[in-house]
Amino acid sequence: GAVVSQHPSWVICKSGTSVKIECRSLDFQATTMFWYRQFPKQSLMLMATSNEGSKATYEQGVEKDKFLINHASLTLSTLTVTSAHPEDSSFYICSAPPGQLRDGYTFGSGTRLTVV
Amino acid sequence: AQSVTQLGSHVSVSEGALVLLRCNYSSSVPPYLFWYVQYPNQGLQLLLKYTTGATLVKGINGFEAEFKKSETSFHLTKPSAHMSDAAEYFCAVSFTGGGNKLTFGTGTQLKVEL
Repeated sequence: GAVVSQHPSWVICKSGTSVKIECRSLDFQATTMFWYRQFPKQSLMLMATSNEGSKATYEQGVEKDKFLINHASLTLSTLTVTSAHPEDSSFYICSAPPGQLRDGYTFGSGTRLTVV
Repeated sequence: AQSVTQLGSHVSVSEGALVLLRCNYSSSVPPYLFWYVQYPNQGLQLLLKYTTGATLVKGINGFEAEFKKSETSFHLTKPSAHMSDAAEYFCAVSFTGGGNKLTFGTGTQLKVEL
């Protein structure tokens, strides 16, 4: 079946540094990727939608300059957390929506980010 | 605007007992409804979904859910709980024309006791 490979699965970084999270669709082309953030014991909140060949669409309240989203190709979408702070520590998950020959959402395995 | 409400952030059942996780939705257009399960530090696994057709949907691991339009509900059930069912469960909704965006409920932590 369809697989989205998300890396890294966990990362620890220092405050002020940047971290890049990658999501690759392994056996299909994803023109769109959803990026979610999940705080401990909470639900998934949509941060932004990346689209291949155009700018990402951010949800209200999400800082565009802090969370840089790029959809470089039909198989790669990235989220870069810039100038990370401890409050950015969270679980980040990407998801490809239904598409041709895929009738469901395909989720990455998630990235646990800890900023110290 | 669409929304999802999950009643009960924590549910505890005995092994072998009925599992009932509640989900109500709000949508001005016909919804697509989903139940996902999440184990610690992992992504989401689809249990089942309703798009159109039969309102009683059977999913994996013995779970099923019934779409009740009159009650705007999509409750998840399993006749007999197993220890391995202990996890976080999320109800989610999307709809045609919504750009395929999934809106998630707040989640229900299921605990299964001996």
